[in-house]
Amino acid sequence: DAGVTQSPTHLIKTRGQQVTLRCSPKSGHDTVSWYQQALGQGPQFIFQYYEEEERQRGNFPDRFSGHQFPNYSSELNVNALLLGDSALYLCASSYERYTDTQYFGPGTRLTVL
Amino acid sequence: GESVGLHLPTLSVQEGDNSIINCAYSNSASDYFIWYKQESGKGPQFIIDIRSNMDKRQGQRVTVLLNKTVKHLSLQIAATQPGDSAVYFCAEKKNYGGSQGNLIFGKGTKLSVKP
Repeated sequence: DAGVTQSPTHLIKTRGQQVTLRCSPKSGHDTVSWYQQALGQGPQFIFQYYEEEERQRGNFPDRFSGHQFPNYSSELNVNALLLGDSALYLCASSYERYTDTQYFGPGTRLTVL
Repeated sequence: GESVGLHLPTLSVQEGDNSIINCAYSNSASDYFIWYKQESGKGPQFIIDIRSNMDKRQGQRVTVLLNKTVKHLSLQIAATQPGDSAVYFCAEKKNYGGSQGNLIFGKGTKLSVKP
């Protein structure tokens, strides 16, 4: 049973560029949440996708957008990258009808130069 | 604003001893709480969770205690092992039904196990 997978593992971008991060949820899960984790901090909620729609959003600017596909996989897009966007981006999946529990992937380490 | 916080940023214990990691929460509307372990360079790993209608839940070598009166959560690890060394996060969530709702994390406690 595959867990949550994310790609790429690491990414280096320069200011102003755009980036797309990908997530495949745990088998049987239909809800995907994205979090940003700065060094030495706890994860901060970006948004959650369910039934291919953004259901809930945290305090992040519109530069952060996402998408969920019919197979429940998801993408996180960040436009006009800033130095402060450097962080570990975590994807978590859960099963809407069954549990509150969110299972995390290994994350994508984004470095903005 | 309301948030989840931790009393101790670091905790050092001897191998074989029991560890207790504490967490305070301030959102009285939260009714689901969860502990994660995060090793360096990895994503958070689920340890144990508890709902607000319970005050104790046990897993393998771990116990979570919930005191709603003082809004306090703790994680107890029995017979701590070197492999338990990691950063531990508590998180809270308001139950909207199903898995809707975001987790609110504290800053984490680093557990170091001395052999």
